[in-house]
Amino acid sequence: DSGVTQTPKHLITATGQRVTLRCSPRSGDLSVYWYQQSLDQGLQFLIQYYNGEERAKGNILERFSAQQFPDLHSELNLSSLELGDSALYFCASSPGTGYIQYFGAGTRLSVL
Amino acid sequence: QKEVEQDPGPLSVPEGAIVSLNCTYSNSAFQYFMWYRQYSRKGPELLMYTYSSGNKEDGRFTAQVDKSSKYISLFIRDSQPSDSATYLCAMRDNNNDMRFGAGTRLTVKP
Repeated sequence: DSGVTQTPKHLITATGQRVTLRCSPRSGDLSVYWYQQSLDQGLQFLIQYYNGEERAKGNILERFSAQQFPDLHSELNLSSLELGDSALYFCASSPGTGYIQYFGAGTRLSVL
Repeated sequence: QKEVEQDPGPLSVPEGAIVSLNCTYSNSAFQYFMWYRQYSRKGPELLMYTYSSGNKEDGRFTAQVDKSSKYISLFIRDSQPSDSATYLCAMRDNNNDMRFGAGTRLTVKP
């Protein structure tokens, strides 16, 4: 067990809808990272937050947004969902920036 | 051309074999190199972590980095069925920009 908790484990929704994925980092970790993993694209970095502030941005679509709250948990919001957004979404955490990342078990999103 | 290239396999070997997994990369700014193991329906877990060129050994696992060739390897000795998983290479520059390989799916047959 990595200590990173992601909820829900599975999410099934329809095109055009909006969903929120939640991540609780390991105790004491200040950084949270979000990744998307699909069969054809592999693991793609989306965004990083450090102690509540956005630190780095990767291949994140404008329809997607994230935030990190004062208690350090993070949420990834996906809106106007498309079929192609179906993927595994992983959250990872680390003590700071530039440290080893520990991954959660992921949220499997299916857009029908 | 992708920044990180990794043969997706699948790779199938008999139990006890030596497994060699490799990645190439194009960005010379990468300084930190990692190997993650991902079991089906689980998140990636860190296996090995190296900085710059050289070798690092941990039990049955050896990671090699050749920065001059932009090539990294993971060797698994005496492979076990429990090693069956997808192995992802990852690398990061000093700006914490991280890239993952596509992952190689490994099956070790008893």
